[in-house]
Amino acid sequence: DQQVKQNSPSLSVQEGRISILNCDYTNSMFDYFLWYKKYPAEGPTFLISISSIKDKNEDGRFTVFLNKSAKHLSLHIVPSQPGDSAVYFCAASEPGNTPLVFGKGTRLSVIA
Amino acid sequence: NAGVMQNPRHLVRRRGQEARLRCSPMKGHSHVYWYRQLPEEGLKFMVYLQKENIIDESGMPKERFSAEFPKEGPSILRIQQVVRGDSAAYFCASSPGADRGLPSGANVLTFGAGSRLTVL
Repeated sequence: DQQVKQNSPSLSVQEGRISILNCDYTNSMFDYFLWYKKYPAEGPTFLISISSIKDKNEDGRFTVFLNKSAKHLSLHIVPSQPGDSAVYFCAASEPGNTPLVFGKGTRLSVIA
Repeated sequence: NAGVMQNPRHLVRRRGQEARLRCSPMKGHSHVYWYRQLPEEGLKFMVYLQKENIIDESGMPKERFSAEFPKEGPSILRIQQVVRGDSAAYFCASSPGADRGLPSGANVLTFGAGSRLTVL
């Protein structure tokens, strides 16, 4: 029973274009959503987060959009760079210091 | 380096042996989380600890797995009588706790580089 789903295992994008990674969730109690990036043989690193009271959060080339009614969020990377090639995990948490629930990840390849 | 430190990075065990994985949280962090990543899978929560207390172990297998976070020293994830299915990357993460970290309120976890367990 997956509460956080990333339905695209992989995505290839040309350098300079926009990358859009999608994530769906089922738990209405989630109040924060986060994106992590993971390179091989390293731990995940925090990228950007969004509160459930917002619908957009931007940080440089990275923007996260939240559609609460659809229980859907997306991460936009523009322009995409080869160094962005990694696995991106969507995560969500309920209020408090509850553990993050992760999706299975999407492998992004940015082609030069 | 004030990051989350995990050791060993790689551990090989034969079936039936014990595996011990260690995690020192980031300086100033009092909450520790263990996650497991099986091949081609996402990160699965195992256990959440504060100093000397297990807060949530809902993701821990009922047998052979245990975790502790003593008053002094690192957090330890212990797997007894390992089987091939235990082969995975085990990640530890920490967070500051009380105020959930960022001013925005997200419970941002800082992860270590992971310990890769291979069971022969």
